[in-house]
Amino acid sequence: AQSVTQLGSHVSVSEGALVLLRCNYSSSVPPYLFWYVQYPNQGLQLLLKYTTGATLVKGINGFEAEFKKSETSFHLTKPSAHMSDAAEYFCAVSFSGGYNKLIFGAGTRLAVHP
Amino acid sequence: DAMVIQNPRYQVTQFGKPVTLSCSQTLNHNVMYWYQQKSSQAPKLLFHYYDKDFNNEADTPDNFQSRRPNTSFCFLDIRSPGLGDAAMYLCATRDVGGQYNEQFFGPGTRLTVL
Repeated sequence: AQSVTQLGSHVSVSEGALVLLRCNYSSSVPPYLFWYVQYPNQGLQLLLKYTTGATLVKGINGFEAEFKKSETSFHLTKPSAHMSDAAEYFCAVSFSGGYNKLIFGAGTRLAVHP
Repeated sequence: DAMVIQNPRYQVTQFGKPVTLSCSQTLNHNVMYWYQQKSSQAPKLLFHYYDKDFNNEADTPDNFQSRRPNTSFCFLDIRSPGLGDAAMYLCATRDVGGQYNEQFFGPGTRLTVL
């Protein structure tokens, strides 16, 4: 069965520090991989996605993620955290065929302190 | 701008009083999804429409129904809301012919049950 694991339900960083949010998936077929961000009382906004091709994916707001097939990982990074990055982040996978159901991880709440 | 719109953004209802949440889209996507997201949890898929074909998740309670009168609109009906149905409800769309399986989310409706 396919699943997504996000290590760390809460991550706290200082403004200007590196942000690293971890995501691992389990799947027997190649997945599509996504990172979404959610601000309080808002919907989900797509940060970036991996489908095929280059394994290092750049997204909005300075975020990027690298797909590592051997590690079944898709960790999200940002070199320098900004106060406005404080939000909930969800990693998700889907697969071709069927109705492409999104399978979400449990989410990681990022706090950024001065 | 093409988008997914949800109305209202905040809805208060009474225990047992039927309520309808609305989603519309200008993207002309053929798939529309409804998710329930409880506090500090990942979104949980309730059901989706592929054009007019309705697909219910196995664990979605019978209390939740949906209607899709045309491509642009989809409604979520909660027949007898309980306190446990208080949550954020997210609508999303997807273009089956799209390249990346990406789902586009609306801003959500936060439902409070008194």
